[in-house]
Amino acid sequence: GQSLEQPSEVTAVEGAIVQINCTYQTSGFYGLFWYQQHAGEAPTFPSYNVLDGLEEKGRFSSFLSRSKGYSYLLLKELQMKDSASYFCAVRAPVLKGGNNRKLIWGLGTSLAVNP
Amino acid sequence: DAGITQSPRHKVTETGTPVTLRCHQTENHRYMYWYRQDPGHGLRLIHYSYGVKDTDKGEVSDGYSVSRSKTEDFLLTLESATSSQTSVYFCAISESAANQPQHFGDGTRLSIL
Repeated sequence: GQSLEQPSEVTAVEGAIVQINCTYQTSGFYGLFWYQQHAGEAPTFPSYNVLDGLEEKGRFSSFLSRSKGYSYLLLKELQMKDSASYFCAVRAPVLKGGNNRKLIWGLGTSLAVNP
Repeated sequence: DAGITQSPRHKVTETGTPVTLRCHQTENHRYMYWYRQDPGHGLRLIHYSYGVKDTDKGEVSDGYSVSRSKTEDFLLTLESATSSQTSVYFCAISESAANQPQHFGDGTRLSIL
């Protein structure tokens, strides 16, 4: 089966750096996404990893270790507007000739940025 | 932003009534998805579509049906709404390549009394 684990809540201070972890167990690996969702809004797409290492995208970076089944999202120079829920999601296995583009979702981490 | 429109944005209805939610896209993406989001459960897939008239069940499909007669429209129907289906419903779309993300509509807040 597939499962993802993330902390339910993280608190940090404006201007600081915060790391949100995600561990996963999947049969095969086809890519991992991190999404941001502000309260009452739709999820949006900050990052994607399919290879080991760090992907940087402005103040957001995402790291992946496939051998450890582990990823983290790193947010630098935290701003109040970064207060949101962050979800990791992995691509479900794609069977040969299949049409599956489903994602398996973690339950999300609520990030609170305090002044 | 991806061109995804969900309608209605808010709806209140009574138990036992049929409800249809619409997702319309202008991106010509092949894949479309319906999720529900509830506190403590994250995003749960209800149904998805991989082409016109091609649909499959997600993890919480009981009590829901879908139809896709055109590339741009994906309809979610609750045949006889129950209070347990009170939720926020999100539609998402994605391109065919496996490394492409899903892009979400703004959601429909559905309350069943």
